[in-house]
Amino acid sequence: QVQLQESGPGLVKPSETLSLTCTVSGGSLTDYYWSWIRQSPGRGLEWIGYVYYSGYTNYNPSLKDRVTISRDMTKNQFSLKLTSVTAADTAMYYCAREKRFYESSSYHDAFDLWGQGTMVTVS
Amino acid sequence: DIQMTQSPSSLSASVGDRVTITCRATQDITNSLAWFQQKPGQAPRSLIHAASTLHSGVPSRFSGSGSGTDFTLSISSLQPEDFATYYCQQYRSYPYTFGQGTRLDIK
Repeated sequence: QVQLQESGPGLVKPSETLSLTCTVSGGSLTDYYWSWIRQSPGRGLEWIGYVYYSGYTNYNPSLKDRVTISRDMTKNQFSLKLTSVTAADTAMYYCAREKRFYESSSYHDAFDLWGQGTMVTVS
Repeated sequence: DIQMTQSPSSLSASVGDRVTITCRATQDITNSLAWFQQKPGQAPRSLIHAASTLHSGVPSRFSGSGSGTDFTLSISSLQPEDFATYYCQQYRSYPYTFGQGTRLDIK
């Protein structure tokens, strides 16, 4: 059974860099997209971006200048770095897997697994 | 960005009721829509993708429908464990975007 687990500091100072890691257990990074998503009362659920197992990345334009998502195939982990944080970056951060589902003649890449989340406060 | 709007924002119902939640996109997303359930203190749980396909293990009392811009999530006979907040999400184009959520609580 594949499980995702976020880890990292729960408190980050303004202007510093938020760094989180998601460890994938019971499965491999291969063939999937791996996303970071955050949730806060003010912004709701917000997709931050993903890294494909090949290393290809795609980011939300609203965060693109500050975000880096990378993966480490040897450790079965992927990571998030968000620079120059402010109080607006305070949120619960989730990692999630995107799986390709085949539907007749098409396919859908949709989230199927989520980590339990880690709360990050910027203060 | 595609905006997703859910209605109602909150809903009260009783065990055994049938409920329907609506999600509307600001542009055509074909059937690239997912639904999630979230309980307090827990991560979202994936319920449906492709607007109507249930994820493995999701009870058949859940169903989804729609295409284009208008979608619905229905629960045919509410069980105590179904009281939660539900979110829709489009994955037709980047950035992925979510609805604001519909809170379903016990009447």
